[in-house]
This record gives sequence, C-alpha cells and structure tokens, in this order.
Amino acid sequence: DSGVTQTPKHLITATGQRVTLRCSPRSGDLSVYWYQQSLDQGLQFLIQYYNGEERAKGNILERFSAQQFPDLHSELNLSSLELGDSALYFCASSVVGSGGINEQFFGPGTRLTVL
Amino acid sequence: LAKTTQPISMDSYEGQEVNITCSHNNIATNDYITWYQQFPSQGPRFIIQGYKTKVTNEVASLFIPADRKSSTLSLPRVSLSDTAVYYCLVGSDRGSTLGRLYFGRGTQLTVWP
Repeated sequence: DSGVTQTPKHLITATGQRVTLRCSPRSGDLSVYWYQQSLDQGLQFLIQYYNGEERAKGNILERFSAQQFPDLHSELNLSSLELGDSALYFCASSVVGSGGINEQFFGPGTRLTVL
Repeated sequence: LAKTTQPISMDSYEGQEVNITCSHNNIATNDYITWYQQFPSQGPRFIIQGYKTKVTNEVASLFIPADRKSSTLSLPRVSLSDTAVYYCLVGSDRGSTLGRLYFGRGTQLTVWP
C-alpha cells in the first residue's frame, strides 16, 4: 500500500460525458501528479501540482483539467469524453516539490471506460 | 526535451543478472534518472534513482556513464516475481524550473523458470 488513494476504482461512462477522478496523496506529500496509461500510448504524464499550484504540464488535453485543494487532495476532470480516453489514470504523490530526490508513490489507479 | 528509449522486451531465466539500458541523449543538467517497476493493473513502484556514476540499493544497481546519455538498471539474480514492466524516467523537480517528467515506453521483462 503506497498510501495514495484514488476513487473511484472503476468508472464506466458514455461519450460526451464528464467525470471527476479524485486523489488523496500520502500524508505530508505536497506534490501530486496525474498520469494516463493506455495500451497504445504507455504511461503519459499529464500534470503536476505542488501545494495547490500547477507545477508542470505534460500531454494534457484541453478537455482535461485538474486542481489541488487546500487539503492537498486533487481532482482530475475529464470532459467531452471520447472513446480514446478509455485508460487507467494514476495519481502519484511525492514529498519533494523543489529540488532533491523525487520518489513518486503511485495510487492504485482509476480505470475509465468510455462506451 | 529529454525523451527515453528502452528495449521493448527482454527475457531471462531465474537466477541470472538482468541489465536494462535506457538512452536519454537530451538529458538536462538538472535531470535525475529514475527507474520504476510496474505489475499489471498496479501503479508503478520506485526502484532506484541516480544522477551520475553508480547507485546501489537492496534490490538493484544503477550505472550512469560520465556523459549521462544512457543508464543501465541491473537486477541481480532475478526471480519469477521480477516479471514486470520497467520504466526509465528522466526528469527534474528542481528549483524554479517547472518539473519535466518523461517515462519511456517501458521494457517488459519476462523471467522464465
């Protein structure tokens, strides 16, 4: 158990819909990362937050957005869903946000299926 | 931007040493090299991280040459439970520079009895 929790574990929805994935980082971790893993694209970095502020942005679509709240939990919002958005979405957290070793602890993931 | 290249797959037998090499020609000065292990339907798990030369922990060693354009993860005496996908990650989370994190496509290691 990494200490990172993600809800829900599974999500099935239809094209065009909007969903919210939730992540609670390990206690004390200030950085939260979101990743998308699909069969054809591998593990793709989407976005990072550090203590409530966006820190780095990767291959995140404009239809996707995220935020980190004052209690440090994070939400990833996916809208206008397409079939190709079906994937495993992982959240990770780390204690270091600025310099030093950056070991990331991954949650169990949310499997999103868009029908 | 630092991208990584790894072999898609490797096979080994129990008890052998396995070396997985990752190329990262455009690695930046502040970038660290990190390796993760992933089992099916689980989140990746940190194995080892280094900046230069050699790093060793209880499960693996990481060799990084002076030019840092590649790195090699070494797993001593693998067992069946080491069958997994191994990712090479190059990135930085330093100072005022926005963190840049890139996973390779991963190497599927299969260990045979």
